Amino acid sequence: QVQLVESGGGVVQPGGSLTLSCAASGFTFSSYVMYWVRQAPGKGLEWLALIGYDGNNKKYNADSVKGRFTISRDNSKNTLYLQMNSLRTDDTAVYYCAKDPAMKGSGGAWFDPWGRGTLVIVSS
Amino acid sequence: QSVLTQAPSASGTPGQRVTISCSGSSSNVGTNNVYWYQQLPGAAPKLLIFKNDQRPSGVPDRFSGSKSGTSASLAISGLRSEDEANYHCAAWDDSLSGAVFGGGTKLTVL
Repeated sequence: QVQLVESGGGVVQPGGSLTLSCAASGFTFSSYVMYWVRQAPGKGLEWLALIGYDGNNKKYNADSVKGRFTISRDNSKNTLYLQMNSLRTDDTAVYYCAKDPAMKGSGGAWFDPWGRGTLVIVSS
Repeated sequence: QSVLTQAPSASGTPGQRVTISCSGSSSNVGTNNVYWYQQLPGAAPKLLIFKNDQRPSGVPDRFSGSKSGTSASLAISGLRSEDEANYHCAAWDDSLSGAVFGGGTKLTVL
C-alpha cells in the first residue's frame, strides 16, 4: 500500500537549517506531484510547497516560505525533501508530506495520503 | 489568519446531524474544488471528501459534502463518538497560486 514516512525533524536554533525527508513506497513515485504541509501546535494546516512529478515545476507559499525553504525530490530514491534555512520560532510545527492522488497532478488541494509527520522545534 | 473561514468549534449529540461550513472567495472556493480532511486526535489528516462532494472508498456515507458559490459544507449524519475530530477544508487559490486551508473546526460529540 502507499506509504509516506517523514524524517529529519528535531530541535534547531533560530537561524539554523534542517532538511526533512519523505520516503515513499507502494506507488510509482516519479509519476506523482508531492506536497509539504505543516501544522503549528494547536493551529490549522498550512500548505508550504509542491513539486511536479519530474521535479521541474515547483510552487511555494510565498508568505510562509519567502525563499527560505526549497522543495526537491530524488525519483531514483523515491524520496521527497524540504530544505529549510533561516528557521524562526514560528516555524515550529509538525511537517507532513502528502501525495497527489492524480497521476501528473490534479492542480488542486487534493492530498492523499499523508505521512505521519515529523516535528520541528525551533528554539534557543 | 486562514484564507478559508471555518467556525472553530461545533458539537452534537450521538445520532444527530451536524454541518460544518467553509467560506472562501472567488479565487478559491468559488472557482476550484473543495476538499475536506478529518484529523483524529494525535493523528495525521485523512482525506474525507474530494472534489466538493465525492467520498473516497472506505468513508461512510454518513459524511457528505456540498458547495454553493464561495461556500462549502460538510455534513455528518448519525453522529458517532468516533467522529470527534478536527475537520479542515481546503481549496486551490488561483490568486495565490497555492493551496489554502480553513482554520479547522473541532467537532465535539456530547
